[in-house]
Amino acid sequence: EAQVTQNPRYLITVTGKKLTVTCSQNMNHEYMSWYRQDPGLGLRQIYYSMNVEVTDKGDVPEGYKVSRKEKRNFPLILESPSPNQTSLYFCASTKRQGADTGELFFGEGSRLTVL
Amino acid sequence: GDSVTQMEGPVTLSEEAFLTINCTYTATGYPSLFWYVQYPGEGLQLLLKATKADDKGSNKGFEATYRKETTSFHLEKGSVQVSDSAVYFCALSEYGGSNYKLTFGKGTLLTVNP
Repeated sequence: EAQVTQNPRYLITVTGKKLTVTCSQNMNHEYMSWYRQDPGLGLRQIYYSMNVEVTDKGDVPEGYKVSRKEKRNFPLILESPSPNQTSLYFCASTKRQGADTGELFFGEGSRLTVL
Repeated sequence: GDSVTQMEGPVTLSEEAFLTINCTYTATGYPSLFWYVQYPGEGLQLLLKATKADDKGSNKGFEATYRKETTSFHLEKGSVQVSDSAVYFCALSEYGGSNYKLTFGKGTLLTVNP
């Protein structure tokens, strides 16, 4: 089954304790991206990757890091989480580059709470 | 920059009622337009899309027409069901050379009562 898998789905942590949210897709997609979803703000892009070893900042990258060592994986790293990073995080992927249908395939989300 | 504005929710309807969720956009070029749906506890799923002016996207009884003259992409359904209860997001995409990004509206929560 084609899917984007995120882990963990739920996490409660404390300020300053490094954490990683993993994302893996089995569709051989080149493009992957992270979004955060907050009430009243919709979804905002954090980082994206056009292909292996190619990453760049989205609209709200502060406090996050990513890596793309393999095509299927795109982990989101919070080196020193803070309470304002409490949010619902989504990983998404799509195959084509360039102007096309634009369908992003989303994971089920990871709800992170930073105390 | 690009932006999407959609009607504030929540929207509460009775089963079989007519649904309209308004969406307007601002973009510098010629974006593709989308509606995504998020069911409780799940990720977003593409509901329908339109890639050029006057295109009509449709799926599961939902429709939306790309109106370039009014920069709008309103979502409609003639008869909603309880199973349509979800959050609906309007979005646009413009390929910016190095980023394939969707810009989302804030979402509209729809609740359909039996």
